[in-house]
Amino acid sequence: DQQVKQNSPSLSVQEGRISILNCDYTNSMFDYFLWYKKYPAEGPTFLISISSIKDKNEDGRFTVFLNKSAKHLSLHIVPSQPGDSAVYFCAARDYAGNNRKLIWGLGTSLAVNP
Amino acid sequence: SQTIHQWPATLVQPVGSPLSLECTVEGTSNPNLYWYRQAAGRGLQLLFYSVGIGQISSEVPQNLSASRPQDRQFILSSKKLLLSDSGFYLCAWSVVGYEQYFGPGTRLTVT
Repeated sequence: DQQVKQNSPSLSVQEGRISILNCDYTNSMFDYFLWYKKYPAEGPTFLISISSIKDKNEDGRFTVFLNKSAKHLSLHIVPSQPGDSAVYFCAARDYAGNNRKLIWGLGTSLAVNP
Repeated sequence: SQTIHQWPATLVQPVGSPLSLECTVEGTSNPNLYWYRQAAGRGLQLLFYSVGIGQISSEVPQNLSASRPQDRQFILSSKKLLLSDSGFYLCAWSVVGYEQYFGPGTRLTVT
């Protein structure tokens, strides 16, 4: 049972426009959410995170929004650049469960077209 | 600063051969360590994690095993590889159970 869902396997965006990657979760005990970026044949790179006590966190071109009532978070990239083309993973920590592990989505492949 | 090393970068092994992948972390003490596998076109599957020397938790019963002989060393092993063991293997570390930081990965092809 997938507790973290990234329902869009792929997304294509024009350079300079906004990229919005979505993530839904089912477990209300998740208290910390993370986004990672992964290029082919490389390890994932941590991008940005958000605690469940916040609804927004911003770092440069990357902003993560959290809607706890909808159990939904999104990553906004503005403006999108060709170098942003990668697979983006959403992950969550279960405070009430085993908080040494992260629960991962299956990823969304973002293509930013010049 | 912390760094994580994995080797080898690529490996081609025949079915039935043994496997040993090594991961080491520098610049931190008593990290949590993780082994993941990414099959072609799939997400990240957690295989093992360790919170200390000799402490291994297995997430998925399979043909693989893990060991942590030293604080900052994590080893993934198999006695006999299967075709289904092919994939991209990633080691990661974390402290305090928050962000995990990944190594460069090992591409394993079992033929």
